[in-house]
Amino acid sequence: QQPVQSPQAVILREGEDAVINCSSSKALYSVHWYRQKHGEAPVFLMILLKGGEQKGHEKISASFNEKKQQSSLYLTASQLSYSGTYFCGTYLVQGGSEKLVFGKGTKLTVNP
Amino acid sequence: DAGVIQSPRHEVTEMGQEVTLRCKPISGHNSLFWYRQTMMRGLELLIYFNNNVPIDDSGMPEDRFSAKMPNASFSTLKIQPSEPRDSAVYFCASSSAPDSLLTDTQYFGPGTRLTVL
Repeated sequence: QQPVQSPQAVILREGEDAVINCSSSKALYSVHWYRQKHGEAPVFLMILLKGGEQKGHEKISASFNEKKQQSSLYLTASQLSYSGTYFCGTYLVQGGSEKLVFGKGTKLTVNP
Repeated sequence: DAGVIQSPRHEVTEMGQEVTLRCKPISGHNSLFWYRQTMMRGLELLIYFNNNVPIDDSGMPEDRFSAKMPNASFSTLKIQPSEPRDSAVYFCASSSAPDSLLTDTQYFGPGTRLTVL
């Protein structure tokens, strides 16, 4: 049930681009992206709904591929402030109740 | 507006002791979530409440864990007796999901770092 994120970690220089993938073995209805800086709480970035719509947040955007049951997060021209661990959460209905299940995270480090 | 408030921020206790973690959600939010975060398992949902009613507690590890939400502005997560494997960061989150978690935006508290010796 837990979505699989890849890569587990990535190191960039400021200004470089990165892609983080989130794959699910279950059908995707919505994908939620959060970022957590070291020692802090996760913070919401964006939600993508079934339909393949691409969303954006500053220079961070994401896509949703229903057929592949996958979402990708694109970080363009990375900034030092982008460093942190990125989590995807997938929406599930199980046993009659809804839940959001998070992946284990992708640690992004942006160096000067 | 104050965000989600959790206390204590750090807790160190000995195996066998009772531990109580507290959470105050954002005012007006009607859903509250308790998560546990470890390196091995990532962010796991333990239980969530909607309008003070527990909706899904399938993530609660075992009977040693219990959670309550006596009113809209307060929730507790209790571990009794605590064990070293319970050491983790416990987050509380709240949201105003009017209809569904499908489009829910959750606001996380700062977390409680629990260490059980």
